[in-house]
Amino acid sequence: AQSVTQLGSHVSVSEGALVLLRCNYSSSVPPYLFWYVQYPNQGLQLLLKYTSAATLVKGINGFEAEFKKSETSFHLTKPSAHMRDAAEYFCAVITSGTYKYIFGTGTRLKVLA
Amino acid sequence: NAGVTQTPKFQVLKTGQSMTLQCAQDMNHEYMSWYRQDPGMGLRLIHYSVGAGITDQGEVPNGYNVSRSTTEDFPLRLLSAAPSQTSVYFCASSYVRTQGHTGELFFGEGSRLTVL
Repeated sequence: AQSVTQLGSHVSVSEGALVLLRCNYSSSVPPYLFWYVQYPNQGLQLLLKYTSAATLVKGINGFEAEFKKSETSFHLTKPSAHMRDAAEYFCAVITSGTYKYIFGTGTRLKVLA
Repeated sequence: NAGVTQTPKFQVLKTGQSMTLQCAQDMNHEYMSWYRQDPGMGLRLIHYSVGAGITDQGEVPNGYNVSRSTTEDFPLRLLSAAPSQTSVYFCASSYVRTQGHTGELFFGEGSRLTVL
């Protein structure tokens, strides 16, 4: 069975500092991995996705994530946080042969001025 | 483009009442799904569909029914509402890949349901 674990339900960073949001997955077959962002009172929107083409994936708004099979991780990073990055971030996994997305419990990012 | 449209945005029900959350998409996506979002629990899949006439259960299907008579619409029915169903509900759609999974999800803006 596939699963996703996001470490840290709340993360605070200063504006301009590095953002690192952690995601570890469990899957018996090669996974497809996604990061979504949710702004207050809105639905989720895709930040980036890993579909086995390249291990380093670049997304919107300066975010990127690296797929590390040996560590079963897909951490999200951004070199310099901006106030507009304050939101909740969700990691998700799906595998071939299933139609069931599994979401992590989310990490709420706070950006301090 | 409208994308995924959910109605209503807000609803208050009394225990035992029934209601339907509507979801429509205009992207010709085969895959549609319903999630509930609760604090600290992320999104949990209720039901999904990979095409008209085909539905299946997700992680938390109890108390909910769905049907898919057209590609565009995927309503979620609460037959007898309970306070435990107080949540924010999201509908999402996607295309289906030949490898047997979906692409990225496109979400509606959510429906906030309170059951008293």
